[in-house]
Amino acid sequence: NAGVMQNPRHLVRRRGQEARLRCSPMKGHSHVYWYRQLPEEGLKFMVYLQKENIIDESGMPKERFSAEFPKEGPSILRIQQVVRGDSAAYFCASSPDIRAFFGQGTRLTVV
Amino acid sequence: QQQVKQSPQSLIVQKGGISIINCAYENTAFDYFPWYQQFPGKGPALLIAIRPDVSEKKEGRFTISFNKSAKQFSLHIMDSQPGDSATYFCAASMERGAGNMLTFGGGTRLMVKP
Repeated sequence: NAGVMQNPRHLVRRRGQEARLRCSPMKGHSHVYWYRQLPEEGLKFMVYLQKENIIDESGMPKERFSAEFPKEGPSILRIQQVVRGDSAAYFCASSPDIRAFFGQGTRLTVV
Repeated sequence: QQQVKQSPQSLIVQKGGISIINCAYENTAFDYFPWYQQFPGKGPALLIAIRPDVSEKKEGRFTISFNKSAKQFSLHIMDSQPGDSATYFCAASMERGAGNMLTFGGGTRLMVKP
């Protein structure tokens, strides 16, 4: 059973470009969470999704950020018009119950 | 309040020693307290977790102690090994059906010297 798969592992974008981060949850998991980790800091919750529904997006910046988890395919975290402050590691987690299992993350660098 | 405060930020322990990491929370609605281990360049891996109805949980060399009245919990790593060198995060959440959103502590960077 493959773990949570995230791609790409590393992403470099110029300021003003768009970043699209993908997450495939573990088989049988219907809950997906996105977290952001700034250097030398803990992880901060961004958004919680189930298939075709955003359950809680209280940690998501109001502008430029969006997330989806379509009926078919991976969950996507989209960052429009990236700025240097968006540089961070973005982790996706999936859960079958109370436990959350994390992917390897996507490290976004904005230059 | 949703904060979880973790200490120390960094810890150096000799091989074979006991590593102790502490966390404190404010929200009494939290009812699930996991610990995660993260190696550089990797995602956090679930290590051990506890619910507030027990005061201690042990899995191998890892033990969580939980003090509900003080709103504190700690991770003890017995017989620490160089391979345990990693960053450890405590977290807390409120169970909502089959999903939960984790509030993380700031992390503790552990180095175990051979």
